Amino acid sequence: DADVTQTPRNRITKTGKRIMLECSQTKGHDRMYWYRQDPGLGLRLIYYSFDVKDINKGEISDGYSVSRQAQAKFSLSLESAIPNQTALYFCATSDLRGGTQYFGPGTRLTVL
Amino acid sequence: GENVEQHPSTLSVQEGDSAVIKCTYSDSASNYFPWYKQELGKGPQLIIDIRSNVGEKKDQRIAVTLNKTAKHFSLHITETQPEDSAVYFCAASLGGGYQKVTFGTGTKLQVIP
Repeated sequence: DADVTQTPRNRITKTGKRIMLECSQTKGHDRMYWYRQDPGLGLRLIYYSFDVKDINKGEISDGYSVSRQAQAKFSLSLESAIPNQTALYFCATSDLRGGTQYFGPGTRLTVL
Repeated sequence: GENVEQHPSTLSVQEGDSAVIKCTYSDSASNYFPWYKQELGKGPQLIIDIRSNVGEKKDQRIAVTLNKTAKHFSLHITETQPEDSAVYFCAASLGGGYQKVTFGTGTKLQVIP
């Protein structure tokens, strides 16, 4: 089984809808991250969490919120989706030493 | 904050040839430089990394070089194979408790059989 899983893998939604992307990991890592990938822009950090009580904004957090339900679970929410949030979203984990990040398979989100 | 530039954005090579991808970073405090490979439909996966106390690192057909003075680092793939076709990302990480990682914009490598 994959160490980092994301659900759903694909989602099409409409402008104004609330949507949640979920991430689960079995690596036992404390640190979890949400990234957004757009063509030509690479990977940009949305939010990160060092543990269940620690949530931090990344470089592009506007329009997003997160919830760290447990060490293994980190969810990303779009409160009111807009078309420019159409992108590929990745969850990642790392251990306390940081460094290597382990990515999930991604969620392709389309906002119409 | 840190800024990482990556070139080229696309690269096509014949099978068996070498491929080189270059990155520059802005923050001299960065001390960890990983490279990730993203295959179609998958998340990025670490393929090699280098720390600032090392100038070069090799792993079979893959090597990374680091020039701290010039603040640039490069990925070298020798004897390329079709399965090397993917998007490659460089990244730079600041030390300390967080180790924020800044990614380059990616290079799409196509190896032509």
